[in-house]
Amino acid sequence: VIWMTQSPSLLSASTGDRVIISCRMSQGISSYLAWYQQKPGKAPELLIYAASTLQSGVPSRFSGSGSGTDFTLTISCLQSEDFATYYCQQYYSFPGTFGQGTKVEIK
Amino acid sequence: EVQLVETGGGLIQPGGSLRLSCAASGFTVSSNYMSWVRQAPGKGLEWVSVIYSGGSTYYADSVKGRFTISRDNSKNTLYLQMNSLRAEDTAVYYCARGGLVRGHYYYYMDVWGKGTTVTVSS
Repeated sequence: VIWMTQSPSLLSASTGDRVIISCRMSQGISSYLAWYQQKPGKAPELLIYAASTLQSGVPSRFSGSGSGTDFTLTISCLQSEDFATYYCQQYYSFPGTFGQGTKVEIK
Repeated sequence: EVQLVETGGGLIQPGGSLRLSCAASGFTVSSNYMSWVRQAPGKGLEWVSVIYSGGSTYYADSVKGRFTISRDNSKNTLYLQMNSLRAEDTAVYYCARGGLVRGHYYYYMDVWGKGTTVTVSS
């Protein structure tokens, strides 16, 4: 079983801020990591897969990095529509497990 | 347009059964990994079940023996039959398509439906 630690669980930020969310694995997963954004009452949306590949249509202010056990999601300049909850997901081992989520709220 | 639309949720008593449907458009269900993922109120995402393009099926331990995933290729629709429902099955249920890159299937999910709500309560 791969244990995942996503941090922080809550992040208060202002529009225009640079935001970094971390996801740490208990064992190496190469680059088999995805990031999702979920707004209240909505389905999750894929932002990034393969740790750093931006899904089609996702704004370039989102970026992902890392490999092995440590990964980050960076939002370079937070926009009002980015206030949401973000989840990482490892898909190195079946069936792919999700992190606990990081809620990005308005400061 | 690639789209998934879930239906079939509702209020059901403990021990009851419900069948969720997920109609796909813009792609072929049988050519992809298709999963059900649920989210209990105020909680995170929990994988429930997957059906591979070849037809193999797998389940989370929490639903094994009670839930059955299937598909109807003629209708391009995914299903989740849920039996012996418990209060802890209360959640929004999403169907989602697995990633497919250069012929390789992956367990991340690139297309999600809007979800259907299942409430198990007496």
